[in-house]
Amino acid sequence: EVQLLETGGGLVQPGGSLRLSCAASGFTFSSYAMGWVRQAPGKGLEWVSAITGSGTNTFYADSVKGRFTISRDSSRDTLYLQMDSLRAEDTAVYYCAKRTSSSSGWFDYWGQGTLVTVSS
Amino acid sequence: EIVLTQSPATLSLSPGERATLSCRASQSVSNYLVWYQQKPGQAPRLLIYDVSNRATGIPARFSGSGSGTDFTLTISSLEPEDFAVYYCQQRSNWPLTFGGGTKVEIK
Repeated sequence: EVQLLETGGGLVQPGGSLRLSCAASGFTFSSYAMGWVRQAPGKGLEWVSAITGSGTNTFYADSVKGRFTISRDSSRDTLYLQMDSLRAEDTAVYYCAKRTSSSSGWFDYWGQGTLVTVSS
Repeated sequence: EIVLTQSPATLSLSPGERATLSCRASQSVSNYLVWYQQKPGQAPRLLIYDVSNRATGIPARFSGSGSGTDFTLTISSLEPEDFAVYYCQQRSNWPLTFGGGTKVEIK
């Protein structure tokens, strides 16, 4: 059974940093691209970042480019999102999601999400 | 950036009725269009991929159609568990984008 468990969310001040983790199990982690999708309170879904199965290629939404860094550790079956220079508008539930191929595809499995609140 | 516009924003229907949800893209996304269902407090769930293919475990009452820029999700007969928010998403171009969602609520 595919499972994705996000951790690392919490309250952080504007300008601060946070690192989210997503522990994966139930599939061959290195064979699949992964991504992060966020949802501000009461709002819709917004794609944040994606990474290929090998970790070679990374992609970012313009809203986070230069501030967030996605990475993965296949020895730990874990996906990361390093978030720097956080802003109030980054407040959201952050979901980790598995894609359906090593390079692209749909998000076929999602974690339960972790809440990030950016506030002073 | 490809903008996905979903309509209506809210659909008020009774159990047993047919639901028709629309997703329109600002430019062609070929067949790289998917639908997700999200219930309150839960993560999204993949319903339909590549326009018309049901994901594993999705009931046959859910169907997708369309091509290019105009897509439709149809729920043939609403069950109580179908009342939720539905999002379309494209992977034709970066950045990946989602529609704003359609809430299907009980009338």
